Amino acid sequence: DAGVTQSPTHLIKTRGQQVTLRCSPKSGHDTVSWYQQALGQGPQFIFQYYEEEERQRGNFPDRFSGHQFPNYSSELNVNALLLGDSALYLCASSFELGNTEAFFGQGTRLTVV
Amino acid sequence: LAKTTQPISMDSYEGQEVNITCSHNNIATNDYITWYQQFPSQGPRFIIQGYKTKVTNEVASLFIPADRKSSTLSLPRVSLSDTAVYYCLVGDRTGTASKLTFGTGTRLQVTL
Repeated sequence: DAGVTQSPTHLIKTRGQQVTLRCSPKSGHDTVSWYQQALGQGPQFIFQYYEEEERQRGNFPDRFSGHQFPNYSSELNVNALLLGDSALYLCASSFELGNTEAFFGQGTRLTVV
Repeated sequence: LAKTTQPISMDSYEGQEVNITCSHNNIATNDYITWYQQFPSQGPRFIIQGYKTKVTNEVASLFIPADRKSSTLSLPRVSLSDTAVYYCLVGDRTGTASKLTFGTGTRLQVTL
């Protein structure tokens, strides 16, 4: 049984560009959350998707947007990249809302130059 | 939103028992306490979760006193591979949604 898979694993982008990160949840999971983790810090919640809708959002600007597909997979889009967006982006899946036992992927390391 | 406080770092020798304490004075009635482990360049991994008293699984034990204002993660006989960052979280539930609020965690270093 595959766990949470994210692609790509590493990415280098230039300031001002746009990026799309992808996540496939663990089999049987229907809820996907995205986190940003800067070096030396804990993961910070970006947003959560359930039934193809954004259910909760953290303190991130509108440049960060997402989508969940009918098969529960998800995308994170970041527009107008800034140097400060360089971080490890983590996707987590869980079964149903309100479940704090989440399974994380290995993350996508985004570097903005 | 219940905030958690835990030590920034801890050191241990291999084979010892490690106890990491987390304080969460403002925990809400419906909140659960959850611990995650994270190795470098990997996503966090769920370790254990509890509401009150004691919970034990194959990896760790979680002790929660009656007032629930703190909790202690106990790792029996640690090995070098337990070197990681450990996060204590209090379940943040808004309606039926939930998000995990991570602090900076406790960096555990295990040596021979």
